[in-house]
Amino acid sequence: KQEVTQIPAALSVPEGENLVLNCSFTDSAIYNLQWFRQDPGKGLTSLLLIQSSQREQTSGRLNASLDKSSGRSTLYIAASQPGDSATYLCAVKPGGTSYGKLTFGQGTILTVHP
Amino acid sequence: DTGVSQDPRHKITKRGQNVTFRCDPISEHNRLYWYRQTLGQGPEFLTYFQNEAQLEKSRLLSDRFSAERPKGSFSTLEIQRTEQGDSAMYLCASSRLAPIYNEQFFGPGTRLTVL
Repeated sequence: KQEVTQIPAALSVPEGENLVLNCSFTDSAIYNLQWFRQDPGKGLTSLLLIQSSQREQTSGRLNASLDKSSGRSTLYIAASQPGDSATYLCAVKPGGTSYGKLTFGQGTILTVHP
Repeated sequence: DTGVSQDPRHKITKRGQNVTFRCDPISEHNRLYWYRQTLGQGPEFLTYFQNEAQLEKSRLLSDRFSAERPKGSFSTLEIQRTEQGDSAMYLCASSRLAPIYNEQFFGPGTRLTVL
């Protein structure tokens, strides 16, 4: 059974810092990995999707990397801003097929203070 | 592209009542997923549709839960005889059928509170 773990559970940083969120998964046979952002009481916003054959994806100040063999992904946020405060979730889709449920981690609660 | 929509956004009900939620996926998306999220946890998979066919159901989906997707468009999730443990955020997501472009897009969720 796939298990996804996110470290740290919570992170508080001053504005302007670069930061890294970690995600690990137990079964390396994944199809892809997605990073999401969730604001309190809201749905999920997709940030980045990395296919299993890719090593990284970038969008603006966000960069996500994937090391499938070691079961790890990181989300790098450059020059953090108070508006980045949210819960960040990673999720993996099992390998072998393009459909299939996502298995989520518990999330990292990020607070960026001015 | 108006995104995934869900209705209602909030539902408060008394234990034992039946509730029904609706999800409208992005129009060209063939795949539709339901997830449940409790406080402080990541979402957990409930069920998945490809067009009108329900292809997978989680063990979390007890016999009090039923989901439908008539005509492969919107979907409904019904919970019968609600229990306090059903209180959660119910999230719907949709994606394309194509193997590469299968990113899941989520709706705003329906927050259920069972008193």
